[in-house]
Amino acid sequence: DAKTTQPNSMESNEEEPVHLPCNHSTISGTDYIHWYRQLPSQGPEYVIHGLTSNVNNRMASLAIAEDRKSSTLILHRATLRDAAVYYCILRPTTNFGNEKLTFGTGTRLTIIP
Amino acid sequence: EAQVTQNPRYLITVTGKKLTVTCSQNMNHEYMSWYRQDPGLGLRQIYYSMNVEVTDKGDVPEGYKVSRKEKRNFPLILESPSPNQTSLYFCASSLSPGPSYEQYFGPGTRLTVT
Repeated sequence: DAKTTQPNSMESNEEEPVHLPCNHSTISGTDYIHWYRQLPSQGPEYVIHGLTSNVNNRMASLAIAEDRKSSTLILHRATLRDAAVYYCILRPTTNFGNEKLTFGTGTRLTIIP
Repeated sequence: EAQVTQNPRYLITVTGKKLTVTCSQNMNHEYMSWYRQDPGLGLRQIYYSMNVEVTDKGDVPEGYKVSRKEKRNFPLILESPSPNQTSLYFCASSLSPGPSYEQYFGPGTRLTVT
């Protein structure tokens, strides 16, 4: 499976935008890029996903590089509730059947009041 | 409210005493899965189910059993728990297999085996 690389930790001020990077230089053409987050003492939570084009939803935006070797999760206005570990996950279409999510170490985001 | 529920949320038990952790989803999802989360090892898949009566092993299935008799339920069974199964367990579900579908996770079950 293609691998992702994320910074171990990031800090951001409350009410400021946050850009969380993810490198996936070995991504294949059919791999989907997913982001999940895990708040303290909770289960992982889906944030957003995309294939080639940038995506927006109520929680965040996903910016995908033109060559797809990297992506950035954008939280437009961070709140204290956004403090979590964020995981960038590649999901290949070749594993049709077992949709296992392969979680790496993620980025621990700290929000400073 | 669409959700995945797990019970119990916390459990302390002794070695060898059979236990079941229940998982239920109310979204009519086909795909369900169990993960365990351990410090330094991240989340690892235990078992998964594509649909009723269809289950298969994940990455760390030893010591666990599952069943899928109804679409909404996917219990995790530990026939003879051991201390190395002390962990945080998560159930997840998805509308359908396929990489374009998001997965929904339960709140977790913290299991301690002494």
